[in-house]
Amino acid sequence: QKEVEQNSGPLSVPEGAIASLNCTYSDRGSQSFFWYRQYSGKSPELIMFIYSNGDKEDGRFTAQLNKASQYVSLLIRDSQPSDSATYLCAVSSLSSASKIIFGSGTRLSIRP
Amino acid sequence: DAGITQSPRHKVTETGTPVTLRCHQTENHRYMYWYRQDPGHGLRLIHYSYGVKDTDKGEVSDGYSVSRSKTEDFLLTLESATSSQTSVYFCATGLGDNEQFFGPGTRLTVL
Repeated sequence: QKEVEQNSGPLSVPEGAIASLNCTYSDRGSQSFFWYRQYSGKSPELIMFIYSNGDKEDGRFTAQLNKASQYVSLLIRDSQPSDSATYLCAVSSLSSASKIIFGSGTRLSIRP
Repeated sequence: DAGITQSPRHKVTETGTPVTLRCHQTENHRYMYWYRQDPGHGLRLIHYSYGVKDTDKGEVSDGYSVSRSKTEDFLLTLESATSSQTSVYFCATGLGDNEQFFGPGTRLTVL
């Protein structure tokens, strides 16, 4: 079992709809959770982070964390074609050398 | 981003040659990381540094070495490049177990 799991996709969502991206993790001691967006040929960029159970909203983005279920998600409201990218979930882990473990990413495609 | 540059941005080399990639940061972040990214594997940590002259191995360190003689510079060396090391290499910086900031990447092709 991978420490951070994401569905690789592609996830296809119509423009204007809500895109829902999911991530599960195995280390119950994880404290910090991050979502990165990576456009094709570019480097990952941080878009959201969350530390506490519940929801955190930033513009069209909402991160949701449920530590009991070891589940973190990212909702993108009013999806735009510019949201088409790969989204990487990252989780802090004391067992990792770098303290951060990345999932393999979910490819999101917004269709006009 | 966190003021991170990587050089070169693209490189083509031949099997058996040594290659050095450079990462330079201007944010005075203590931690620096080297990742490789390959289709289907996501980001895999090669080596990381938690201070000047303090480095440690990641999950895919075989065939790679690193050095950090100054806070701002972190070098990744492929001692004898192989075709399996063809990849995109990302440098990142951070403050520990919080967010990391990524450089623009280096695309390396080993023929």
